[in-house]
Amino acid sequence: QSALTQPASVSGSPGQSITISCTGTSSDVGSYNLVSWYQQHPGRAPKLIIYEVNKRPSGVANRFSGSKSGNTASLTISGLQAEDEADYYCCAYVGTFYVFGSGTTVTVL
Amino acid sequence: QLQLQESGPGLVKPSETLSLTCTVSGGSINNDNYYWTWIRQPPGKGLEWIGSIYYNGRTYYNPSLESRVIIFADTSKNQFSLKLSSVTAADTAVYFCARRGSSYEFYWGQGTLVTVSS
Repeated sequence: QSALTQPASVSGSPGQSITISCTGTSSDVGSYNLVSWYQQHPGRAPKLIIYEVNKRPSGVANRFSGSKSGNTASLTISGLQAEDEADYYCCAYVGTFYVFGSGTTVTVL
Repeated sequence: QLQLQESGPGLVKPSETLSLTCTVSGGSINNDNYYWTWIRQPPGKGLEWIGSIYYNGRTYYNPSLESRVIIFADTSKNQFSLKLSSVTAADTAVYFCARRGSSYEFYWGQGTLVTVSS
């Protein structure tokens, strides 16, 4: 099972919106609405920001949103802030196991 | 509040077995809502799911690692553990323990770096 495909890097200015894609196949992303997204700052553990494609845990800013179309899931950060500069990973459930995306580094210009 | 803490040797020799333990506080691992999970991240690289154990002891492993991995739990100590055999330099990584919830989401420990080197 290969890693899900994410762009290596995405950048934006404060206040802008950016979108990170996560492309898989009909066997993973396309099969279940069980895609989650994680934010990871350097040297820190990943933090859950989206689960079940588009749900936000309590305490996560509403500028983070998720969606899915076919075999591609997406994370959108609206109103980009300096603290959003981090690595982002998608994760999909694949029946009995899980596959992560390749990771995207978000840079706030 | 749930806390997960990894522990174990930070240095393992090639061909030997990597052993890590995750101590869970703020919640019982003997809970049918959760799967207790190991995930790793090689330096500068992405995340890889290693495997999970359910409260009844049933285990699920990444097919790419299945021949070398064992995950087991000690409910009396509220801990679960990872053993990865025949390690090579490619197994050098930060190893995270995590709780998988009912929405298939992960809540993570802080992670521990394990280096495979002679």
